[in-house]
This record gives sequence, structure tokens and C-alpha cells, in this order.
Amino acid sequence: QVQLVQSGAEVKKPGASVKVSCKASGYTFSNYAISWVRQAPGQGLEWMGWISVYNGNTKYAVRVQDRVTMTTDTSTSTAYMELRNLRSDDTAVYYCARDLWELHETPAAFDIWGQGTMVTVSS
Amino acid sequence: QSALTQPASVSGSRGQSITISCTGTNSDVGDNDYVSWYQQHPGKAPKLMIYDVRSRPSGVSNRFSGSKSGNTASLTISGLQAEDEAYYYCSAYTRSTTLWVFGRGTKLTVL
Repeated sequence: QVQLVQSGAEVKKPGASVKVSCKASGYTFSNYAISWVRQAPGQGLEWMGWISVYNGNTKYAVRVQDRVTMTTDTSTSTAYMELRNLRSDDTAVYYCARDLWELHETPAAFDIWGQGTMVTVSS
Repeated sequence: QSALTQPASVSGSRGQSITISCTGTNSDVGDNDYVSWYQQHPGKAPKLMIYDVRSRPSGVSNRFSGSKSGNTASLTISGLQAEDEAYYYCSAYTRSTTLWVFGRGTKLTVL
């Protein structure tokens, strides 16, 4: 079945970096873009950015654009999100989510979600 | 880019209908039809309920419907059931500096 499986929980110190993985299966990975969405404890959803697996184009939210890098590895059907210079307010569950439409130029909706990865930033 | 505006909470009795509003601007909700709604139960990943303003993914009950007028989108749930109790988030494509924006979320309580 179509699914996204994310890497396990992480605990990091302020100033460190974290790299979360998202392995896709059940569909043609290169044909669908991936977005990353995070959710701080007790808070709503925050869109972080988008990567077109097809051509590598990326777009990041202003709030994290100086600290985030999104990449993909088509040989393993895996997407990655790296966040650098972590702060306490980066503590959140991080989700990867697949675009609804194949080979679409922009996000339109997210139909498949990973299970989430808890990232805790604490000294 | 500010989040889309949703009521913090709504409630309804089993069997009744409720509507959750989502107000944006003419750069997002009012600009295009890439408006979607997500249901999230505690501790779970979000689930797509409505896309392209009013379309339902396969497997989503027809008790869920979406609409839009100007800069405001709406999600209506009819025949409320206990399992509908969850948080609901609207979202939309935006022509601002960020591609995508979510609403702050609405907690639905089924009485």
C-alpha cells in the first residue's frame, strides 16, 4: 500500500542539527512532491517547505528558510529534512506528506502522511 | 504569511450538522481552488478530508462537504457521529512568499 515511514524520535541540544527521513513505498516516488509540516506540542500545523522529487525544486517557509534543507534520494525513495541551529521552539512532531497530484507544479493538498517524528530540543 | 482564521472550537449534538469557517485573503483562499481540510485525532497524523474546495478523497464519508465564497471556505459535517470529534484544519495554496498556509485549527466536540 502507499505509505510514508519516518525515522524515529530525536533529542538534540540547542544549536545542533537534526535530519529526519521519510521513506516512500507503494507508488512512483519521483512523480510526487513532498512537503514537510511540523506541529509543536498543543499547537496547530505549520508548513515548512516543499520539494519536487521530479526536478529537485524547493520552496521553504520564511520562518525556517535560513536553517532548513530538503532533499531526496530517488535510489532509496527517501526524502530528508535537515534543520540546523536548533532552538527550543523547534520542539515538535515533524511530518512528511505527499502531494495529492502527480507531477504538479505547486502543492494542492496532501493525501498521504508519515506517522510523524518527535524532535525534542533541550539542553 | 498569517495563518488562516478558524474558530477555536465548535460543538454539536450527535446527528446534527455543524459548519467550520476558514477565512483567508485574496492571496490564498480567495485566489485559487487549492483549499483543503484535514482531520486530526489526538496523537495521530492528519487525514485529508476535502481537497480542491469541495472534492472528497475515496473513503471519506459523504457527510463531509466543502464550499467557498470569496475569501472564506467552509467545512460542513452532517449527521455528526462520535468519531467526528477531532481537530480540523483548513489549508490553502498562497501567492505570498510562502507556498502554503494552514489555519490554526478548530476543535470539534460532539455532545
